[in-house]
Amino acid sequence: EVQLVESGGGLVKPGGSLRLSCAASGFTFNNAWMSWVRQAPGKGLEWVGRIKSKTDGGTTDYAAPVKGRFTISRDDLKKTLYLQMNSLKTEDTAVYYCTTVVRDCSGSSCYERYFDLWGRGTLVTVSS
Amino acid sequence: SYELTQPPSVSVSPGQTASITCSGDKLGDKYACWYQQKPGQSPVVVIYQDTKRPSGIPERFSGSNSGNTATLTISGTQAMDEADYYCQAWDSTTVVFGGGTKLTVL
Repeated sequence: EVQLVESGGGLVKPGGSLRLSCAASGFTFNNAWMSWVRQAPGKGLEWVGRIKSKTDGGTTDYAAPVKGRFTISRDDLKKTLYLQMNSLKTEDTAVYYCTTVVRDCSGSSCYERYFDLWGRGTLVTVSS
Repeated sequence: SYELTQPPSVSVSPGQTASITCSGDKLGDKYACWYQQKPGQSPVVVIYQDTKRPSGIPERFSGSNSGNTATLTISGTQAMDEADYYCQAWDSTTVVFGGGTKLTVL
C-alpha cells in the first residue's frame, strides 16, 4: 500500500526539541522529493521545508519561521523522512504532515509541481 | 515575502457553480495548485499547474490562472464538495499557501 505514516509528535516545553519521523511505503522513496507541511489548530496550511532526493543533490529549503531551528533529513535505507525541531516555540504547535512532491524534470532542471501523497499527520504541542 | 490571498468563505447552492479566487502579485506567471481538505482529513490536490486535474478528481473541478488571480471553479457543486480549499504556488524555492476558503454548500 502506498502510504506515509508520521510519528513522534507530543507535548514539549518551549525551548525544547522533538524529532518527527515519516515512514514511507509502496513507492520508490529514494527517488522522491519530500516536504513537511504543518497546520496550527483551526488554521491554514503552512509549508515547513523540503528535501530533494540524493540523486538530485539532497538539498533542503526551509520556510523563514523555522530556518535555523528545524532540520529535514532522510534515511533512504529505512525509507524514512525526519524533521528535527529545536528551540521550539508555542507558535510551532500544529499537526505536522509529510508529503511527496511531484516534479517535472528536463535535463538537469527540475520544477516542483504539487504535493501528492500526504500522511495523516502527527500533533506537536508546545506548551509550558 | 510572497503572499496569496483567498476569501475566508464562499457559499453556494447545490447544483450551482462555486468560484474561489486566489490573489497574488503576478500569480499568473507562476503555476497554481488547489487542495481540498475536509474536517479531520489530510489535504488532497484537486488542481495542479493551473488547470490540470489528477486522476480520480471529478470533471466538475476546473482551474484558471491569469494576471494576479487564480480561480478554482466547481460546476454543479455537490454537498460532498463542502470543505476548506487552499491555493498554493512556488515563489522561487519556497512554497506559499493561501489562507484557505471555507466552501459551504447550502
